[in-house]
Amino acid sequence: DIQMTQSPSSLSASVGDRVTITCRTSQSISNYLNWYQQKPGKAPKLLIYAASTLQNGVPSRFSGSGSGTDFTLTISSLQPEDFATYYCQQSYSISLITFGQGTRLEIK
Amino acid sequence: EVQLVESGGGLVKPGGSLRLSCVGSGFTFSSYNMIWVRQAPGKGLEWVSSISSSSSYLYYADSLKGRFTISRDNAKNSLYLQMNSLRAEDTAVYYCAIPYTAGEAFDIWGQGTVVTVSS
Repeated sequence: DIQMTQSPSSLSASVGDRVTITCRTSQSISNYLNWYQQKPGKAPKLLIYAASTLQNGVPSRFSGSGSGTDFTLTISSLQPEDFATYYCQQSYSISLITFGQGTRLEIK
Repeated sequence: EVQLVESGGGLVKPGGSLRLSCVGSGFTFSSYNMIWVRQAPGKGLEWVSSISSSSSYLYYADSLKGRFTISRDNAKNSLYLQMNSLRAEDTAVYYCAIPYTAGEAFDIWGQGTVVTVSS
């Protein structure tokens, strides 16, 4: 199984801050890494796919990078609507999809 | 509009069964692999099962130990999850999702259906 380690598990930040969330996998997954945002009571929303491709309609303050086993999600300037929980997910194989543990982003 | 709508959730006693459905619209249902993902109260996302577009390949999370069965009926634009021998730890919101425009990533999700296992 591909293990995923997402950090931090929670994060307090202010509007306008630059924030970085990391995701590490137990084996190389090339660029098969996706990032989702989830707000309470809502389904996850895809932000970034293939490690660094911005999903249509997602603001450009979101960016992703990495390949192999180490990946990052960066929000360049936090906006009020960005306070949510973020998950990484590997899609290296449809036979075993895994999510990171999640990062809860809270207002400082 | 591309849409997925889940149904079939509810309250069930431990050991009971439930069948979830996910109906797709606005896209060619038979062209897409599909997955079920669940989220227990206050917890993270957990992949449950995947099915290929033609049902040739079925995959399950190891934790399910053969209790769940995924299937689909492309003629009815429907995905199913048969859940047997339900346990309290199966209590969760269950989502279906497809990789519509974003390669292998899941960009279309249903609204979720709530399953509660309790006596």
